[in-house]
Amino acid sequence: DAGVTQSPTHLIKTRGQQVTLRCSPKSGHDTVSWYQQALGQGPQFIFQYYEEEERQRGNFPDRFSGHQFPNYSSELNVNALLLGDSALYLCASSAPRVGLDIQYFGAGTRLSVL
Amino acid sequence: EDQVTQSPEALRLQEGESSSLNCSYTVSGLRGLFWYRQDPGKGPEFLFTLYSAGEEKEKERLKATLTKKESFLHITAPKPEDSATYLCAVQHYNSGGGSEKLVFGKGTKLTVNP
Repeated sequence: DAGVTQSPTHLIKTRGQQVTLRCSPKSGHDTVSWYQQALGQGPQFIFQYYEEEERQRGNFPDRFSGHQFPNYSSELNVNALLLGDSALYLCASSAPRVGLDIQYFGAGTRLSVL
Repeated sequence: EDQVTQSPEALRLQEGESSSLNCSYTVSGLRGLFWYRQDPGKGPEFLFTLYSAGEEKEKERLKATLTKKESFLHITAPKPEDSATYLCAVQHYNSGGGSEKLVFGKGTKLTVNP
């Protein structure tokens, strides 16, 4: 059983560019949450998707947007990249409506903005 | 606003030297407290969920406990392979029945020397 998979593993971008990160949830999971983890910090919640809609959002600007597809996979888009967007981006999946509320994380995408 | 504070920030132990990590939290209506382990450059790996004060869970050399204000992760006779960053997160109830976001602490970096 494949766990949560994220792609790509690493990305290097320059300021002002746009980036798309991808996530496939664990089998049987329908809810995807995205987190940003700066070096030496705990993960910070960005937003969560369920039934192809954004259900919750953390304190992140509109430059951060997302999408969920019918197969439950998800994308995170960041526009107009800033140096401060450099971080590890984590995707977590869960299935709370069937009692599987533990969030399982992928290995993350390391984004470097130069 | 939910808050999680972990201490110490870093801990060095000799192999076999038992110790505890602390997680203090402030949350409106705790649904669950989660412990994760994170190795460098990887995503958090789920360890335990605790739901009510007095609850305890064990896994190998790790034991997690919960009170109304804090949680402890006890490490008994640690080995070098236990070296990692240990993250604590809280989750409050989501009235919509979904999976509420996790609010993380900054983590405790544990190093176990042989």
